[in-house]
Amino acid sequence: NAGVTQTPKFQVLKTGQSMTLQCAQDMNHEYMSWYRQDPGMGLRLIHYSVGAGITDQGEVPNGYNVSRSTTEDFPLRLLSAAPSQTSVYFCASSYSPGRYQETQYFGPGTRLLVL
Amino acid sequence: GDSVTQMEGPVTLSEEAFLTINCTYTATGYPSLFWYVQYPGEGLQLLLKATKADDKGSNKGFEATYRKETTSFHLEKGSVQVSDSAVYFCALRADRGSTLGRLYFGRGTQLTVWP
Repeated sequence: NAGVTQTPKFQVLKTGQSMTLQCAQDMNHEYMSWYRQDPGMGLRLIHYSVGAGITDQGEVPNGYNVSRSTTEDFPLRLLSAAPSQTSVYFCASSYSPGRYQETQYFGPGTRLLVL
Repeated sequence: GDSVTQMEGPVTLSEEAFLTINCTYTATGYPSLFWYVQYPGEGLQLLLKATKADDKGSNKGFEATYRKETTSFHLEKGSVQVSDSAVYFCALRADRGSTLGRLYFGRGTQLTVWP
């Protein structure tokens, strides 16, 4: 198993550009989520999905869109990049949010710089 | 709402010193508690977890006990090594309601161990 994979590893954007951060998992996990990590802020939840076709907002959803057309993939779209979106983005997955013992697995992250 | 308060860093120790990183939480119900570790340039990895009161999670010489009476989950290690240098995140997972399965992270504590 590859686990949770993210592409690209690094990206530089200009203000106003759009892009999609890719996330895929091969563990047949139902639950997937996107976080951003900023210095001194820990990780904050952007969007999450409890299964194909179902998504919901987290703490900081503004400026981001998601979709979940398959169990494996959960792309994050930046519609019009802003410098405030400079961050490290992590994708995570787990089998189901309802399972008492379940653990979330994290991808290696995407570093995004918006100029 | 649910939240995690984590000891501010950075923490700098000599090899073989004793480590404590404090973590307290606020939550309704009976959340699961986690410690994640992030090595330089990598994503988060689960270090240990505890799913009910008085449970002790342990891994790689690290331990943490779920204390419901003090709402705490402090991380300890008796003798740190240079290879333990990383950022440590305390987290809780909501166990009920509209936020079921969501992880709430502390801000992270940078640990540097000198030889």
